[in-house]
Amino acid sequence: GENVEQHPSTLSVQEGDSAVIKCTYSDSASNYFPWYKQELGKRPQLIIDIRSNVGEKKDQRIAVTLNKTAKHFSLHITETQPEDSAVYFCAATSGSARQLTFGSGTQLTVLP
Amino acid sequence: DVKVTQSSRYLVKRTGEKVFLECVQDMDHENMFWYRQDPGLGLRLIYFSYDVKMKEKGDIPEGYSVSREKKERFSLILESASTNQTSMYLCASLPFQGNTEAFFGQGTRLTVV
Repeated sequence: GENVEQHPSTLSVQEGDSAVIKCTYSDSASNYFPWYKQELGKRPQLIIDIRSNVGEKKDQRIAVTLNKTAKHFSLHITETQPEDSAVYFCAATSGSARQLTFGSGTQLTVLP
Repeated sequence: DVKVTQSSRYLVKRTGEKVFLECVQDMDHENMFWYRQDPGLGLRLIYFSYDVKMKEKGDIPEGYSVSREKKERFSLILESASTNQTSMYLCASLPFQGNTEAFFGQGTRLTVV
């Protein structure tokens, strides 16, 4: 089955700086890579996703890049704000496997 | 507004008790999942189901079973609760095609004493 590794496990940045979280996956059949944000005490919610036919996707301050050859994808947050503080999870799925495999999560702290 | 609802937010049970965690979704999704969330370990898949009465083991199924008698409801069962099953449990649902947004329940914080 799919194996997703996520780094770093914790990340602290100053407000206004950029944050990058990286994930690798093992199954070459995976074609959909979502990122979820979980604020303290709340449920995970999708913030951005990318499909394997695209190399990069951007939505305001967040962007995701995908390198299919190397089997890794990354989340980029620019101009970080205190409300970006949360746990971020990457995930990978091939759809046909009907499974959604998550990385171990990154606790992002944005320091004011 | 799509909804995945878990029956309890907090639950305290005794060692050896049989525990039922219920999850209901109103989106007519085929796929439903149970995850366990522990600090530093992320979301670990316990079981998932892609159809009524169908179930598949995830990465950590030991000590758990599931039931899916109706499409909208997916139950997680702890046959004999143990203290190492103290955790946050999250239910999720996903449409048939799989490669799209998953929706999560609010989580059940289970404490086994």
